[in-house]
Amino acid sequence: DVQLEQSGAEVKKPGESLKISCKGSGYSFSTSWIGWVRQMPGKGLQWMGIIFPADSETRYNPSFQGQATILVDRSISTAYLQLSSLKASDSAMYYCASTTTNRWPDNFHLWGQGTMVTVSP
Amino acid sequence: QSVLTQPPSVSAAPGQTVTISCSGSSSTIGNNYVSWYQQLPGTAPKLLIFDNDQRPSGISDRFSGSKSGTSATLAITGLHPGDEADYYCGTWGGSPSPWVFGGGTKLTVV
Repeated sequence: DVQLEQSGAEVKKPGESLKISCKGSGYSFSTSWIGWVRQMPGKGLQWMGIIFPADSETRYNPSFQGQATILVDRSISTAYLQLSSLKASDSAMYYCASTTTNRWPDNFHLWGQGTMVTVSP
Repeated sequence: QSVLTQPPSVSAAPGQTVTISCSGSSSTIGNNYVSWYQQLPGTAPKLLIFDNDQRPSGISDRFSGSKSGTSATLAITGLHPGDEADYYCGTWGGSPSPWVFGGGTKLTVV
């Protein structure tokens, strides 16, 4: 099956860091762009950034640069989203999404199921 | 405030046709492909339309997309209650943000 499988829900305290994962299977992971999308409770989709696993080229939404880092481990077909200095306002659902192509920009053909992040004292 | 403008909500009766608009600019929609995503309640978004008017395999032909100038439109015919969802448009945003989504439109089938 072609799919993106994300890691489970996280509960963190303000100031902490976290790293969530997204494992791709059934398609050419290394030569497909894979990105991250935030959805705050009751709100719309916000594109955070994207990475090309073959060479780790990364592009960010300036709104998230400095606080979010996108990483990849090609050997296990897994992308990561690292968030630092967490605040309550970082509480959201985070989706990974892949273009399943080596073209950028391109449409997000494949989505993960989402990882819920809660930041609370 | 998104650079792509969608109506917050639309509604129509079962069996009817509804259209959802997505308005941008020459640097967004005007010179790039548009895609549409459907997010059913409590689920992840799903690609509905890509490259303005193309349907991925498995997407019903009740869904269609079009683009004219700096605006795009999603049309849904023969509405079902199961079509109730949030719908988002997306496109290349250029600089500074390479990709942008619209604010989303909630479809109610009443």
